[in-house]
Amino acid sequence: ILNVEQSPQSLHVQEGDSTNFTCSFPSSNFYALHWYRWETAKSPEALFVMTLNGDEKKKGRISATLNTKEGYSYLYIKGSQPEDSATYLCAFQNRDDKIIFGKGTRLHILP
Amino acid sequence: DSGVTQTPKHLITATGQRVTLRCSPRSGDLSVYWYQQSLDQGLQFLIQYYNGEERAKGNILERFSAQQFPDLHSELNLSSLELGDSALYFCASSDGANGGWQFFGPGTRLTVL
Repeated sequence: ILNVEQSPQSLHVQEGDSTNFTCSFPSSNFYALHWYRWETAKSPEALFVMTLNGDEKKKGRISATLNTKEGYSYLYIKGSQPEDSATYLCAFQNRDDKIIFGKGTRLHILP
Repeated sequence: DSGVTQTPKHLITATGQRVTLRCSPRSGDLSVYWYQQSLDQGLQFLIQYYNGEERAKGNILERFSAQQFPDLHSELNLSSLELGDSALYFCASSDGANGGWQFFGPGTRLTVL
C-alpha cells in the first residue's frame, strides 16, 4: 500500500519567522517528489519538484530537502509572510507515474 | 492564471446520469492529468494522458473514462453517477511525459443529487 504522510496537520507561525514541515513517502520505486501550495478557493500551485535523476525546480522563498533512501522530505519557508497562509501538499510519484498526495499541512501566518 | 482551462465551472446533475468534463492544457504542454478532490479523500490522481496516449492510471473507477484528442484537449467522462462522485475535479498539464512541473486548472465542481 502506498502512503504519503504529512506532519504537522496544522501549524501557526509568527510573521517573519521561518518554518518547515515534513512529508514521508515510500522509499522504494521513487521517481519524483512534488510540493504544492493550495490556497482556499484556488487551485494547487507547484512550488518544488525533484526527480530521480536529480533535476530540481523550485519557486521563491521555498526550499526543500529530499531523502529518497529513507523516504522523507522537508519543505522550508524563510521569513513567513501573510500570503504564505495556505495548505501545503506533498505528492510522491513512482516509476509507474502513479501520483499519491498527502493530506497536507495547513499553515497559518500570525500578524 | 495557470493557462489551463476547464469547463464547465459548476455542474449539477442527478444520480445515474453521465457528464463530460473538459480540459484544455497550457499551450505547448503535451501531458494532461485528472484529479479528484472529495471532502473525505483528499486529492486523488485519476489518470494521465501524454500526446494522445494513456500514460498512467491512478484510482479511476471503471465508470469513469478519459481521452486526449489530437489538439491535446482532454475530456473526462463520468457515467452512472452516484452521490459519492460529488467532488471538485482538477485537470493539470505539464510539458513532459514524466510528471514534472504541473499547472492546475481552476477545477469543475460536480454535484450529484
